[in-house]
Amino acid sequence: QTVVTQEPSLTVSPGGTVTLTCASSTGAVTSGYYPNWFQQKPGQAPRALIYSTSNKHSWTPARFSGSLLGGKAALTLSGVQPEDEAEYYCLLYYGGAGVVFGGGTKLTVL
Amino acid sequence: QVTLKESGPVLVKPTETLTLTCTVSGFSLSNARMGVSWIRQPPGKALEWLAHIFSNDEKSYSTSLKSRLTISKDTSKSQVVLTMTNMDPVDTATYYCARNLYDYGDYQVDYWGQGTLVTVSS
Repeated sequence: QTVVTQEPSLTVSPGGTVTLTCASSTGAVTSGYYPNWFQQKPGQAPRALIYSTSNKHSWTPARFSGSLLGGKAALTLSGVQPEDEAEYYCLLYYGGAGVVFGGGTKLTVL
Repeated sequence: QVTLKESGPVLVKPTETLTLTCTVSGFSLSNARMGVSWIRQPPGKALEWLAHIFSNDEKSYSTSLKSRLTISKDTSKSQVVLTMTNMDPVDTATYYCARNLYDYGDYQVDYWGQGTLVTVSS
């Protein structure tokens, strides 16, 4: 059973920068896993932010960026806003073996 | 604009089969590179991917739930249907459908439905 691991929680100050990561139990995450990132606020459906490692959707704020970092997928928020407080999920694509979501990172802006 | 809407029972009994329908608009299920995923989220817990189906009818399932899931599509009705057999209270969750775009070198989930809460209880 493939497991995708994220930090359970992170705290950042307004205006600061924070990086969330996404690791695979199968080994290093590469671009071939097409990492996607999503933001979810309480009571709402998830909203897509990043696809295929670093590509932004048309609605994704410029302060969000995606990359690969030390064998993991990474989501960096620069100039964090209070409205960025949310749960963040990554998704990795394993081809014929399907798709797995990470356990989520609860981001607190304090 | 692209929209997806889930529909199905609010309450199912243990051992029953759940059938959920995702009705899409703003895109065609027959368009190349289009697909639909089903994803669920138990109350207070993380997202869990269940299955997807692509426009070429290629299907993929969660390895842990594969024996219980069937995904299909009716392109003429713009609908994707997910069935899950032998429901259990642990299957209580909000069930979402979402659009996939895929190609060699690309896989993305972009638009999501609002979700539908399914409770499993006798």
